[in-house]
Amino acid sequence: GQQVMQIPQYQHVQEGEDFTTYCNSSTTLSNIQWYKQRPGGHPVFLIQLVKSGEVKKQKRLTFQFGEAKKNSSLHITATQTTDVGTYFCAVGGAGNQFYFGTGTSLTVIP
Amino acid sequence: GAVVSQHPSWVICKSGTSVKIECRSLDFQATTMFWYRQFPKQSLMLMATSNEGSKATYEQGVEKDKFLINHASLTLSTLTVTSAHPEDSSFYICSAKLGPEAFFGQGTRLTVV
Repeated sequence: GQQVMQIPQYQHVQEGEDFTTYCNSSTTLSNIQWYKQRPGGHPVFLIQLVKSGEVKKQKRLTFQFGEAKKNSSLHITATQTTDVGTYFCAVGGAGNQFYFGTGTSLTVIP
Repeated sequence: GAVVSQHPSWVICKSGTSVKIECRSLDFQATTMFWYRQFPKQSLMLMATSNEGSKATYEQGVEKDKFLINHASLTLSTLTVTSAHPEDSSFYICSAKLGPEAFFGQGTRLTVV
């Protein structure tokens, strides 16, 4: 399946600080999705990006798709303790399946 | 959003026995479902794609005879871990898509003793 790397693997931030995770692919992507998984929970869909250079916002979350459609980022402004969890990007395969990136685990220190 | 229900949420079994995990789409029909395995502090690894009325498509390195998948209806897929061993202990989670969005079951934590 697709190999998609995310950096950093772990991130500890003080509450109120910003956080960014990056997703990088060696191949051009048709689209990319982002998910959040709380500790002990299952992944929850956040967003899908399709267009080159696309930027989408959801409250304090900003998602970007690179111009070359090989990378993407998720930025959280002014983190809160409710943002704790692991953030995954996911990319589609040749069929209808999709593959998860390596994930970034976010810890927010109150 | 759509709901995917997975059962059981946890199971402990003896080495050598088989365990069946069910995944149901409660309010939509899913011709395709996906089975993932997740080890602690790791990502979700796609094991196989379950296709309603036909054979599942397994990812490279996943033994189809060990992880039996059946997708007999548009709302139910099952994963059977046959002759389970301690190294099969993991978090198994299913998913189904509705449009571009994937919905996940609650996951099944399997412990083989």
